[in-house]
Amino acid sequence: AQSVTQLGSHVSVSEGALVLLRCNYSSSVPPYLFWYVQYPNQGLQLLLKYTTGATLVKGINGFEAEFKKSETSFHLTKPSAHMSDAAEYFCAVSRANFGNEKLTFGTGTRLTIIP
Amino acid sequence: DVKVTQSSRYLVKRTGEKVFLECVQDMDHENMFWYRQDPGLGLRLIYFSYDVKMKEKGDIPEGYSVSREKKERFSLILESASTNQTSMYLCATAAGTGVAGELFFGEGSRLTVL
Repeated sequence: AQSVTQLGSHVSVSEGALVLLRCNYSSSVPPYLFWYVQYPNQGLQLLLKYTTGATLVKGINGFEAEFKKSETSFHLTKPSAHMSDAAEYFCAVSRANFGNEKLTFGTGTRLTIIP
Repeated sequence: DVKVTQSSRYLVKRTGEKVFLECVQDMDHENMFWYRQDPGLGLRLIYFSYDVKMKEKGDIPEGYSVSREKKERFSLILESASTNQTSMYLCATAAGTGVAGELFFGEGSRLTVL
């Protein structure tokens, strides 16, 4: 079985400050890991993903995440928050080679940006 | 760009009614999914389909059924709606099978059951 834990259902940061959203996973096999973002009244869109290879992955809008196998983590960061980053963020895990049909989502973290 | 269109953004139904949620995609993707999104619970997979007329149960299929008669269309059916099915429903698509590709989501259908 696989699962994802997102620490902090709500995170607030000041504009220009570092954004850090935490995600820990559990998987009995090598995982594929994803971050999705949901802006108000919209569906989810992919921010970035880790499958194999380089453990630091870069995504859209200046976000990046690092896969740390020893810590079973895949935290999302952005050096400088922008007002447009206010959204809900979801971490997700799937079993390698099983693709999308086995994607398990976390419960989400709502990011608020303080002007 | 991939476009995933959900027919209704907002629906209000009464307990016991039959509800159809429609999803249409224009990118010839094999995989289609229905998720339910609830605060504090994240997204939970109801059903998915990897081909026409094929379907697989997800994590919470009880009270739901699906239909995929054409590749581009995937319908979620609530045979007898109940208040605990009040939720946001998200349709998603993906290309291929066994590949960790990107999920493309519709904008969601917010269902209220009175």
